[in-house]
Amino acid sequence: GQNIDQPTEMTATEGAIVQINCTYQTSGFNGLFWYQQHAGEAPTFLSYNVLDGLEEKGRFSSFLSRSKGYSYLLLKELQMKDSASYLCAVRDGDYKLSFGAGTTVTVRA
Amino acid sequence: DVKVTQSSRYLVKRTGEKVFLECVQDMDHENMFWYRQDPGLGLRLIYFSYDVKMKEKGDIPEGYSVSREKKERFSLILESASTNQTSMYLCASSLDPASGNTIYFGEGSWLTVV
Repeated sequence: GQNIDQPTEMTATEGAIVQINCTYQTSGFNGLFWYQQHAGEAPTFLSYNVLDGLEEKGRFSSFLSRSKGYSYLLLKELQMKDSASYLCAVRDGDYKLSFGAGTTVTVRA
Repeated sequence: DVKVTQSSRYLVKRTGEKVFLECVQDMDHENMFWYRQDPGLGLRLIYFSYDVKMKEKGDIPEGYSVSREKKERFSLILESASTNQTSMYLCASSLDPASGNTIYFGEGSWLTVV
């Protein structure tokens, strides 16, 4: 089966940096995605990594190490609106995305 | 912008009822998916479809069936609803995944079975 692990909750202060780790053990690997989901809303796409290294997109960056089965999402200059759940997902075949349980980030003033 | 529309946002159904959840996407995507989302368990794939009239079981297909008669529409069917199917259901669609395309989600359907 697929095993995708990420912390359940994280708390940080406005303006700070938070790093959300994701480790995975899947039967195949065809890319790793990060999504943001605000309470009661649909997940929205944040980033995609298929090769090792860092992908930067504004305040958000995502890193991948395929040999370690490891990724992280880095959120910089945290804002109150970044309070949400962050989902790590692995495409483990041709079509399917398998998701972790999500990390709830709370940003405090 | 890609739009994935789920026709019902909130439903309350009785145990044993047949339930239809409808999903329509407007971007000519080949692939469509149904997930359910439960606290602490994340999103779990129920069924997916990579073409009209084609369907594949996901990780938790028991108690569900699907229908894809047209490219833009993917329906999830609960033949006989049970209380353990109370959940939030998310429909999604995507282009050919080999291109690294992400999937786009609908707003979700909150189903309560009493």
